[in-house]
Amino acid sequence: GQQVMQIPQYQHVQEGEDFTTYCNSSTTLSNIQWYKQRPGGHPVFLIQLVKSGEVKKQKRLTFQFGEAKKNSSLHITATQTTDVGTYFCAGRGATNKLIFGTGTLLAVQP
Amino acid sequence: DGGITQSPKYLFRKEGQNVTLSCEQNLNHDAMYWYRQDPGQGLRLIYYSQIVNDFQKGDIAEGYSVSREKKESFPLTVTSAQKNPTAFYLCASSPLSSGNTIYFGEGSWLTVV
Repeated sequence: GQQVMQIPQYQHVQEGEDFTTYCNSSTTLSNIQWYKQRPGGHPVFLIQLVKSGEVKKQKRLTFQFGEAKKNSSLHITATQTTDVGTYFCAGRGATNKLIFGTGTLLAVQP
Repeated sequence: DGGITQSPKYLFRKEGQNVTLSCEQNLNHDAMYWYRQDPGQGLRLIYYSQIVNDFQKGDIAEGYSVSREKKESFPLTVTSAQKNPTAFYLCASSPLSSGNTIYFGEGSWLTVV
């Protein structure tokens, strides 16, 4: 069945450093979404990418959807302590079910 | 306020007891979902429903049951058949369109002792 993997599982950075998490699907996706879950909280939608090669930006966050629509990345420039949390990608494949990635936990040291 | 309400937020139960987690939404969403999250892990789909009186098993449905008698409500019962029920349970809803996002409730922490 469809699987969505994320790397790294955990990343610890100093405040001000950049951070990237990568998402890879075993099958082609119709769209991909990104969510952020703060410690002790629930996932909150960040963005959706639909087109092959699409790039979207939200302030210091840059989201990219691969040309083959099987991978995606989230890049945070100059991390802040407010960026702490787990970032999940979620891909929708042929079954139309949304499959969540394994998540990347980001820790930011002030 | 519009949103998804889960209750209770924290629940302790003895092993062998069934427990039901409540999920109510007033977003008028057709689809509702239950996910399980273990510490440091991703989200695994337990059950989902796209219409009243109909639901489908997700990836880890064994030991769980659901009902969808009303559009707004999608309760989850964790039965005694579930081998490792201690986890964080997240209810979610979305419009039916494939491009729509999922909105999550605040979750319910279940501890079975």
